[in-house]
Amino acid sequence: QKEVEQDPGPLSVPEGAIVSLNCTYSNSAFQYFMWYRQYSRKGPELLMYTYSSGNKEDGRFTAQVDKSSKYISLFIRDSQPSDSATYLCAMKEAGGTSYGKLTFGQGTILTVHP
Amino acid sequence: DTGVSQNPRHKITKRGQNVTFRCDPISEHNRLYWYRQTLGQGPEFLTYFQNEAQLEKSRLLSDRFSAERPKGSFSTLEIQRTEQGDSAMYLCASSSRDIQYFGAGTRLSVL
Repeated sequence: QKEVEQDPGPLSVPEGAIVSLNCTYSNSAFQYFMWYRQYSRKGPELLMYTYSSGNKEDGRFTAQVDKSSKYISLFIRDSQPSDSATYLCAMKEAGGTSYGKLTFGQGTILTVHP
Repeated sequence: DTGVSQNPRHKITKRGQNVTFRCDPISEHNRLYWYRQTLGQGPEFLTYFQNEAQLEKSRLLSDRFSAERPKGSFSTLEIQRTEQGDSAMYLCASSSRDIQYFGAGTRLSVL
């Protein structure tokens, strides 16, 4: 079983829709949670970074963390065709010998059509 | 500052050949990471440098793989005797503290 599970989709939505992306994890040592966006043939780009349970909002994006359930989500409001990309959840342990290495989910392919 | 730079962007090689990739991190970032990403998967950690010291290597990094970061600046990743299973995107990331910034990657195709 992988440490981080993410539904690969693909997910296809109309422009303006609310998108929900989710990941579950099994490693209780994960304390920091990120969402990256990756366009085709590009490197991952950080969207959101959180470390506590609860919600964090940035523009049209909201990241939600539930450590008790080992579950994180990313919501995209008023989705745009330019949001079409692969979305990766990523996690890391706090300090120690983990050296900040990230463990990624499989990625969810999102297409927003006009 | 133009971000993390990786070269070449694409490398095509024949099975059995050696290849070397280069990563130039963001200036002043003392932490550097290499990841490998295969089609339809998320990136997987390969190795980590703090300044010039290689502090961690994944078990994914076989004997054919070696990485260096001389003088704590740019880094190279070399694969010897390439195999078809080495075909993937090799990503480099750098950070000064919490956030890792990724380069565009080097796509390796082994024929």
